[in-house]
Amino acid sequence: KAGVTQTPRYLIKTRGQQVTLSCSPISGHRSVSWYQQTPGQGLQFLFEYFSETQRNKGNFPGRFSGRQFSNSRSEMNVSTLELGDSALYLCASSTDGDINQPQHFGDGTRLSIL
Amino acid sequence: DQQVKQNSPSLSVQEGRISILNCDYTNSMFDYFLWYKKYPAEGPTFLISISSIKDKNEDGRFTVFLNKSAKHLSLHIVPSQPGDSAVYFCAASGNQGGKLIFGQGTELSVKP
Repeated sequence: KAGVTQTPRYLIKTRGQQVTLSCSPISGHRSVSWYQQTPGQGLQFLFEYFSETQRNKGNFPGRFSGRQFSNSRSEMNVSTLELGDSALYLCASSTDGDINQPQHFGDGTRLSIL
Repeated sequence: DQQVKQNSPSLSVQEGRISILNCDYTNSMFDYFLWYKKYPAEGPTFLISISSIKDKNEDGRFTVFLNKSAKHLSLHIVPSQPGDSAVYFCAASGNQGGKLIFGQGTELSVKP
């Protein structure tokens, strides 16, 4: 069974640009969550999508947004990039986001801002 | 406000011995807890979980213990193997499905 797939694996952008990251969940999984990992803040929850609707949101500015398509694939967009946005962005999927189900992670997209 | 804490940034253990990784939480609304293992350049891999209605869950070499009154959980790995060397994250969730709160991680090194 294929795991969670994130593309691209690496990305270099400059300040002020915008970026879109993609995530394909495990087949049959309908919930997709996004996390940011940085050395200083650790793993922090960005948002979660289920059935094409944002169901939960973390404490990130509005520059961070996402969407989910009818096939459960999800994209995350960051606009007006800042140096502090340099991080590993991880996507995770679960069957329906129920609180007693584990999330399974992709290998992430490493975003570097110059 | 760090709701999930792993106070030991690193742990070194001899091969064959027990590894014990600890995690504390502050939010009494958390009712599902998970452990993940992470190698460099890879995403976290799910290891084992426990619901708040239990105090122990076992899967092969891995056992998770939950002490709700102390708001503490631990992961025991027996016996430890060099391939277990990785960063281990504790995570918790409450009434918001799809949202995990992570600890800062503990780097485990298992020496041959």
